Amino acid sequence: AQTVTQSQPEMSVQEAETVTLSCTYDTSESDYYLFWYKQPPSRQMILVIRQEAYKQQNATENRFSVNFQKAAKSFSLKISDSQLGDAAMYFCAYRVGSTLGRLYFGRGTQLTVWP
Amino acid sequence: NAGVMQNPRHLVRRRGQEARLRCSPMKGHSHVYWYRQLPEEGLKFMVYLQKENIIDESGMPKERFSAEFPKEGPSILRIQQVVRGDSAAYFCASSPGAAADTQYFGPGTRLTVL
Repeated sequence: AQTVTQSQPEMSVQEAETVTLSCTYDTSESDYYLFWYKQPPSRQMILVIRQEAYKQQNATENRFSVNFQKAAKSFSLKISDSQLGDAAMYFCAYRVGSTLGRLYFGRGTQLTVWP
Repeated sequence: NAGVMQNPRHLVRRRGQEARLRCSPMKGHSHVYWYRQLPEEGLKFMVYLQKENIIDESGMPKERFSAEFPKEGPSILRIQQVVRGDSAAYFCASSPGAAADTQYFGPGTRLTVL
């Protein structure tokens, strides 16, 4: 069974500092995709970053980067130079790389950014 | 290019009524996914549709829930005889193809059952 675990229900960071959100997943598949989505108070789900399991290089999108450890089944998100607008619920998600496109989500980490 | 559209954004129903939630995918997207988010939880997959076909409905309750994605028009998630436990946010996502594509989410419909 595919499961996604986010062990930090809440995290906080000072503006301009760096924070890392943790995510682990359980799968027997070799071909899959991993995602981080952000859900601000508006509740809109916004894609932050995506990683293909076959790629060894960690994905990066501006201030957002991931640490993908395939053997450990770990997929953490690092936010550098945190901004007030980064405050949101962050969800880690997993999808098998087949024709069935369902996403499996973790329970989320609520990130607070202090000025 | 407009994003995924969902309407209504908020829907209030009394127990026993029917709820109809609509989702218009992004232009060029032919795959639609429905997810449900209960309070304080992550999103849970319900159903995956392509035009006129249900591909995977393994996450959808067997009774009272149905979904369609007709050749023309939006995808519809229908909940018959709603109960208080159906109160949740319902999100629709779309993608252009299949395995390799990212899903883009709509703003969600918040259903409240009185």
